[in-house]
Amino acid sequence: GDSVTQMEGPVTLSEEAFLTINCTYTATGYPSLFWYVQYPGEGLQLLLKATKADDKGSNKGFEATYRKETTSFHLEKGSVQVSDSAVYFCALDMDSSYKLIFGSGTRLLVRP
Amino acid sequence: DAGVIQSPRHEVTEMGQEVTLRCKPISGHDYLFWYRQTMMRGLELLIYFNNNVPIDDSGMPEDRFSAKMPNASFSTLKIQPSEPRDSAVYFCASSFGSGVRREQFFGPGTRLTVL
Repeated sequence: GDSVTQMEGPVTLSEEAFLTINCTYTATGYPSLFWYVQYPGEGLQLLLKATKADDKGSNKGFEATYRKETTSFHLEKGSVQVSDSAVYFCALDMDSSYKLIFGSGTRLLVRP
Repeated sequence: DAGVIQSPRHEVTEMGQEVTLRCKPISGHDYLFWYRQTMMRGLELLIYFNNNVPIDDSGMPEDRFSAKMPNASFSTLKIQPSEPRDSAVYFCASSFGSGVRREQFFGPGTRLTVL
């Protein structure tokens, strides 16, 4: 079945460091891909998305490119801030089902 | 817009009791989703509705769980009887439309503890 695999956390970085969180997926068709962020005590918020191959989603300095050839959607940010500390979830959905399938989440901790 | 509203935010109950979680989706949204989040299993989709009709309940763990959506602005998730292994954070989400426009908006969650 369809699935999403994320790198294990926690990821601990110093402020202004470069961030990469790896995400790969398995799907029988052509999914849309998403990154959601969950701050402590809150629900998930959509961070960015891409709906077809080679699309780049971006928001708040975060970027991810839909790579069909490597079935990946890695999240990157050039300079992280303490306020970016949160759990990040990669997810996919298929047009035919409207169901979001989430990865296990990666906790990011940014130290001042 | 107030966003997706869930109540209660926290619920502590004893094993065997009935628990009802409530959700008010964003006005105008036609899809509603119930998720459960635990450390062991991560985020799991339990059930989703389209225009108040349940579409896929394959994620509902067992008959103790039931969900209803009597109208476009209200949904409930009920657990009867509750068990300690039901302890989790339950999220409701809503979205509008189909295709590339759709985005799921999540509520703040209900943290359920079953003693």
